[in-house]
Formats: sequence, structure tokens, C-alpha cells
Amino acid sequence: GAVVSQHPSRVICKSGTSVKIECRSLDFQATTMFWYRQFPKQSLMLMATSNEGSKATYEQGVEKDKFLINHASLTLSTLTVTSAHPEDSSFYICSARRTGTDGYTFGSGTRLTVV
Amino acid sequence: SQKIEQNSEALNIQEGKTATLTCNYTNYSPAYLQWYRQDPGRGPVFLLLIRENEKEKRKERLKVTFDTTLKQSLFHITASQPADSATYLCALGMNTGFQKLVFGTGTRLLVSP
Repeated sequence: GAVVSQHPSRVICKSGTSVKIECRSLDFQATTMFWYRQFPKQSLMLMATSNEGSKATYEQGVEKDKFLINHASLTLSTLTVTSAHPEDSSFYICSARRTGTDGYTFGSGTRLTVV
Repeated sequence: SQKIEQNSEALNIQEGKTATLTCNYTNYSPAYLQWYRQDPGRGPVFLLLIRENEKEKRKERLKVTFDTTLKQSLFHITASQPADSATYLCALGMNTGFQKLVFGTGTRLLVSP
């Protein structure tokens, strides 16, 4: 089946530093990947759509200069949280869909804690 | 305003019974609806998709219905097991091109032995 690997699973960083999260499709090519954020007991909120070889599309209210997305290959998208603050602490999840399948495959998520 | 509502309170049922979860939406016209399972600290796992022109879909112990007039989907797990305990999310797809999804808040299901 389709597998999406996300790394790291947990990260703690100091306020003001940047953190990079990787999302890889292991056994299929993904021209489009999606990045979500989930706060405790809340729904997944789409942050941005990552497009291979072009600029990401950000949802309303998401700062593109703070959440940098790079989709440099057909199997890798990265999300960099720049100048992180405690309010950026959340669960970040990526997803992609393998052509020909009905559902999206999600990564296992990254728990970001900014101290 | 646009909303996707799922029961915010946990659903507690006994093993062997049928669990029924509800997803209601307002001011959306989805082309399809999906159901996912999410375990704590993990990403969601796809379960079923049902399109706007379909009334019902089944997969093993799972059944999904979709009523576009009521703007509601029901998700059933028959012969429930403790291993079915998780949070279940519904998600709406706005077009057939499989672009972004809009998720409900999820319902936590607890199946007791």
C-alpha cells in the first residue's frame, strides 16, 4: 500500500529557532502533498498545499513566510517553521494520495513543542 | 457559515454491538465524503469513501451512508471490538479532482470488553 513517512516524530526547540519537518512518499510519486496542523481535541486544519516544482498554496490566515514549504522532488516535501514561538506548538501532519486510490495517506505526524 | 459537525462527546459501547457515528455538514456541497480513523499521536488512516451519487458503501464490518438532502453521513461499525476504539473523522472533498479535504472534529469511540 501507499506509505508516507514523516520525520521527526517529535521535536522540542527553543523559541526563535527554526524547525524542518520532512514528508516522504516511499512507494509512490506525489506531485501534491498537503500539510495540516492539529491542536489537542480539535480537527485537522489544512495549512497549505505543496506542489512539486512550484510554489505552495497557503490557506487563508497561514503565514507563508513563517511556514516555508519546499517540494523539490516527487517524493519529498518539507515544512520549515521559522522563528518558532510557543503558540506554534502543535501536531503537524502531511498527506498525499497515490493515483488510483480513494483515500489519502497520512504521515505519522510531528509533535512540535516550542519552549 | 460552513460547518462539519461530529459528536464531540465520546461514544461508549459494549463489544459486539453496532457503533453509529454521525457527520453533519452545513453550507458545503461535497463531491464525496471520506471516513478516517485516528489513534492518539498518529496520523489518520483512510477507511472508506462515498460519492455524492452513492447512498451506501460497505467494507467488511464498516458501512457508510450519505444523504445529500439531509447533509449527513452515518458511519457504522458492526460487531465492534475493543480494537475499534479510536477517534473517527469525517472529511469532505469539494470536487472530484481529489484536492484538499475539510475535516470534522472527530468522534472518539470507546468499545468496552
